[in-house]
Amino acid sequence: AQTVTQSQPEMSVQEAETVTLSCTYDTSESDYYLFWYKQPPSRQMILVIRQEAYKQQNATENRFSVNFQKAAKSFSLKISDSQLGDAAMYFCAYRSTGTYKYIFGTGTRLKVLA
Amino acid sequence: DGGITQSPKYLFRKEGQNVTLSCEQNLNHDAMYWYRQDPGQGLRLIYYSQIVNDFQKGDIAEGYSVSREKKESFPLTVTSAQKNPTAFYLCASSIIGMYGEAFFGQGTRLTVV
Repeated sequence: AQTVTQSQPEMSVQEAETVTLSCTYDTSESDYYLFWYKQPPSRQMILVIRQEAYKQQNATENRFSVNFQKAAKSFSLKISDSQLGDAAMYFCAYRSTGTYKYIFGTGTRLKVLA
Repeated sequence: DGGITQSPKYLFRKEGQNVTLSCEQNLNHDAMYWYRQDPGQGLRLIYYSQIVNDFQKGDIAEGYSVSREKKESFPLTVTSAQKNPTAFYLCASSIIGMYGEAFFGQGTRLTVV
């Protein structure tokens, strides 16, 4: 069974600085999708970025980028120029291409300090 | 506007009662999911469905039941057999195929009183 691990329950970053959130996963599949979701205090889940496992190039969305290391089964999220609005819970998620199940990590709470 | 609607936003239940949480989507998505969120435990999958009239148990299905009679709807019933039902429940849907990220509703907070 696939698992997703986020080892940092909480992180802090100064406004305008850069922070990296870690995620590792375990799977025997070769093809899958990985996601980072943001959950602000409203509790609405918002997609931040996605990565297809067959793509070697790391995904980027504006200030958000990932470091995808397939062999190491690592999928970290880098947030550049952090803003107060980035403060939220961040969840790493894995989707099997076979079962279409989404498996989530336990989340990292990000605090942004003014 | 396309999206996923969960209702109600807050729900109170007496011990021993069954309660049904509603989830409707107008995104024409094939797959739908129910997750439970507890502090420190992330999102745990309760049930999921890839097609009408078919669904599969997730990791924590005990004490819950679902139906998928229409593509747009995937209601979740929390039965009296669920020992600790107080939690935040999230419904999601997705396409089956490439770029199939999950889209989420706004959630239902269930409290047992």
